[in-house]
Amino acid sequence: DTGVSQDPRHKITKRGQNVTFRCDPISEHNRLYWYRQTLGQGPEFLTYFQNEAQLEKSRLLSDRFSAERPKGSFSTLEIQRTEQGDSAMYLCASSLSGGEGAIYGYTFGSGTRLTVV
Amino acid sequence: TQLLEQSPQFLSIQEGENLTVYCNSSSVFSSLQWYRQEPGEGPVLLVTVVTGGEVKKLKRLTFQFGDARKDSSLHITAAQTGDTGLYLCAGGGGADGLTFGKGTHLIIQP
Repeated sequence: DTGVSQDPRHKITKRGQNVTFRCDPISEHNRLYWYRQTLGQGPEFLTYFQNEAQLEKSRLLSDRFSAERPKGSFSTLEIQRTEQGDSAMYLCASSLSGGEGAIYGYTFGSGTRLTVV
Repeated sequence: TQLLEQSPQFLSIQEGENLTVYCNSSSVFSSLQWYRQEPGEGPVLLVTVVTGGEVKKLKRLTFQFGDARKDSSLHITAAQTGDTGLYLCAGGGGADGLTFGKGTHLIIQP
């Protein structure tokens, strides 16, 4: 297993366009998380999945954001009608579930850097 | 919401010096994790501390979890330029996922 993969690494888009990011987690991990990180800040939680079920969503996740994990494997994060304030690094992470995740930690991907112009 | 405050926010020291960075909260955590992040990359887990008062060593890095499990510290001995990065503490990991502090930006000058 090569770890958590994210695609694309960089995305530049015009305001108002839709963008979609993909995350491939570690295959043994049943939890998948999306975080957003702006310059100089720590990662902020957006949402997470246990297998294919989306169990929690942050209030940061406006109705322009949608995430899916259709078969409990890879996940996509779509942002509709992008705004300049959406510019950030979008990080995906995976972990074992529950207490084991808290002990063994999250494995993060390298992120997708989104720039909205 | 459990908040984690990290200090200092920025730290720049000379190679060979020692340093300590802190992670504090008013909430009790069942465990705390420390991550290191380099520019343009995702955070990488360094250590997890679970037991109050626990001390873990990773080469020149020493991590301590407070007795009350509300705070943690990271001490680096004889810092090297390769230690440069953003050091993040994180706790929780339950239903709301991990909560991260804002991090300490560490620069080690040659």
